[in-house]
Amino acid sequence: GNSVTQMEGPVTLSEEAFLTINCTYTATGYPSLFWYVQYPGEGLQLLLKATKADDKGSNKGFEATYRKETTSFHLEKGSVQVSDSAVYFCALEGGSEKLVFGKGTKLTVNP
Amino acid sequence: DADVTQTPRNRITKTGKRIMLECSQTKGHDRMYWYRQDPGLGLRLIYYSFDVKDINKGEISDGYSVSRQAQAKFSLSLESAIPNQTALYFCATSDSGTKSNQPQHFGDGTRLSIL
Repeated sequence: GNSVTQMEGPVTLSEEAFLTINCTYTATGYPSLFWYVQYPGEGLQLLLKATKADDKGSNKGFEATYRKETTSFHLEKGSVQVSDSAVYFCALEGGSEKLVFGKGTKLTVNP
Repeated sequence: DADVTQTPRNRITKTGKRIMLECSQTKGHDRMYWYRQDPGLGLRLIYYSFDVKDINKGEISDGYSVSRQAQAKFSLSLESAIPNQTALYFCATSDSGTKSNQPQHFGDGTRLSIL
């Protein structure tokens, strides 16, 4: 079945540091890939998505590129801020209109 | 006002009690979902509904039931609550629309504790 594996946290960075959160997936066919973010006390919000190979999703300075050859969708940001502190979830949708989530990675950014 | 509203936001109850969690949405979406979130496990799908007459089991439906009372309302019930159902529960919606892979929109969650 479809599955998502993402880097275990927690991740702690200083403000303006570079962020990478790794995500790899297993799926048949050509899934769509998503990153969701969960701020404290809130539900998940879509951060970015990519629907086909080599697509790059981007939003709020975050980027992720759909790499079919490595089955990966790593999240990156060049300079994190304190306000980026949250839990980040990688997810895929494999044609069933249902999302499969990774376990989440907690990011803390210190001033 | 929130587009996806969950009530209650917090609930503490005892083993064996029947619990209902409610979700309503003003987004006009046809698809609704219930998930539970546990530390270190991410989100797992309990039930989903693609329209009012369509109800489907998700990954972990045992011990739960749902009702889609209207397009805008989707409730989750625990018939006889047990402590390992203590978790954070999320409702989500999405629009089938004209494009596939529409994102899901989440409520703020219900924190349920079963003693």
